[in-house]
Amino acid sequence: NAGVMQNPRHLVRRRGQEARLRCSPMKGHSHVYWYRQLPEEGLKFMVYLQKENIIDESGMPKERFSAEFPKEGPSILRIQQVVRGDSAAYFCASSRGTVNYEQYFGPGTRLTVT
Amino acid sequence: AQSVTQLGSHVSVSEGALVLLRCNYSSSVPPYLFWYVQYPNQGLQLLLKYTTGATLVKGINGFEAEFKKSETSFHLTKPSAHMSDAAEYFCAVSLLSSGSARQLTFGSGTQLTVLP
Repeated sequence: NAGVMQNPRHLVRRRGQEARLRCSPMKGHSHVYWYRQLPEEGLKFMVYLQKENIIDESGMPKERFSAEFPKEGPSILRIQQVVRGDSAAYFCASSRGTVNYEQYFGPGTRLTVT
Repeated sequence: AQSVTQLGSHVSVSEGALVLLRCNYSSSVPPYLFWYVQYPNQGLQLLLKYTTGATLVKGINGFEAEFKKSETSFHLTKPSAHMSDAAEYFCAVSLLSSGSARQLTFGSGTQLTVLP
């Protein structure tokens, strides 16, 4: 059973470009979470999605960031007009449910904005 | 609101020595508590979790943690460190509210170095 998959693993963007990060949850998991890890810091929650629904986006920056989890295909975290401060590792996690189900993490996408 | 404090951003131990990584939390409702390990350039791997029941939780790789409600602590221990334990360790809390546990709140991490 494949784990949580994220691609690309490394992404370099110039300031002002768009970044698209993809996450395929584990088989049988319908809950997806996105976290951001800034250098020398712990992970910070960004958004929680179920298929076709954003459940909790309380950690998402108000501008330039969006997330989706369509009926078919991976979850996408989209960052428009990237700035240097967006450079970080972005981790996706998935779970089977929310009660007594742990979150399994992907290997992360390391975004560098030049 | 919930928060997690990990005391000591860097801990060094000798191989074979006791590992103790400290974690304190604040939560207004009974929490779920987790320890994750992160190896360089990799994702997080769950070491152990506490939800309800027995307060001493055993995890993978010989690690265990004890939930102490009176001290609001969930310290991670291992009796004998191995070189392969060198990694970054994160404590996390998830609120148990209305029967659901969702977003995780992480501590800032503790980098464990194991000396030969």
